[in-house]
Amino acid sequence: DAGITQSPRHKVTETGTPVTLRCHQTENHRYMYWYRQDPGHGLRLIHYSYGVKDTDKGEVSDGYSVSRSKTEDFLLTLESATSSQTSVYFCAISESTRGTRYGYTFGSGTRLTVV
Amino acid sequence: GQQLNQSPQSMFIQEGEDVSMNCTSSSIFNTWLWYKQDPGEGPVLLIALYKAGELTSNGRLTAQFGITRKDSFLNISASIPSDVGIYFCAGPLNNNDMRFGAGTRLTVKP
Repeated sequence: DAGITQSPRHKVTETGTPVTLRCHQTENHRYMYWYRQDPGHGLRLIHYSYGVKDTDKGEVSDGYSVSRSKTEDFLLTLESATSSQTSVYFCAISESTRGTRYGYTFGSGTRLTVV
Repeated sequence: GQQLNQSPQSMFIQEGEDVSMNCTSSSIFNTWLWYKQDPGEGPVLLIALYKAGELTSNGRLTAQFGITRKDSFLNISASIPSDVGIYFCAGPLNNNDMRFGAGTRLTVKP
């Protein structure tokens, strides 16, 4: 176990409601990432964090916000969920920017369904 | 945005057969990574490649960094049922943006 936990594992929510997904790591890694996985698209970067309170947008950030108040926790919030945000969400961690060279460690994912 | 094109999208093979899949890009990459995703889990790194022409093995898996730096290949020899899953190629757009292909879904029939 790489020390990365996502919660919840599954969630069904209604359109228009706010949703927060949590990623918790015990590795003390500086970099954390949120991806979404959809058929035909692979994994796409939503937001990432390079330290406490330091975050930036990824390829598909519209409709999402993130927060990182502690090294170990990275939260992804859907302000007002839409059906297009039905997806599987993965958190990943990396000790440094060399993660793009040596790979990220991924959590087990959160399957979110917006009805 | 930058796209990595993986093919085939899916493969259905018999146990014991060899498998080949590839990934192409319109841009040059300095690193190619191959991940495997088991059902219900996150992707796990299989192989990393850093130099054009590089050939790297991990057990029955062999991956190559294409000499044009715009493609990479993954081969699995003598497939077994636990090879089932989705295989992703990935490459870094920059230090904080790893791009992934859409994946090749492998099914192995016993």
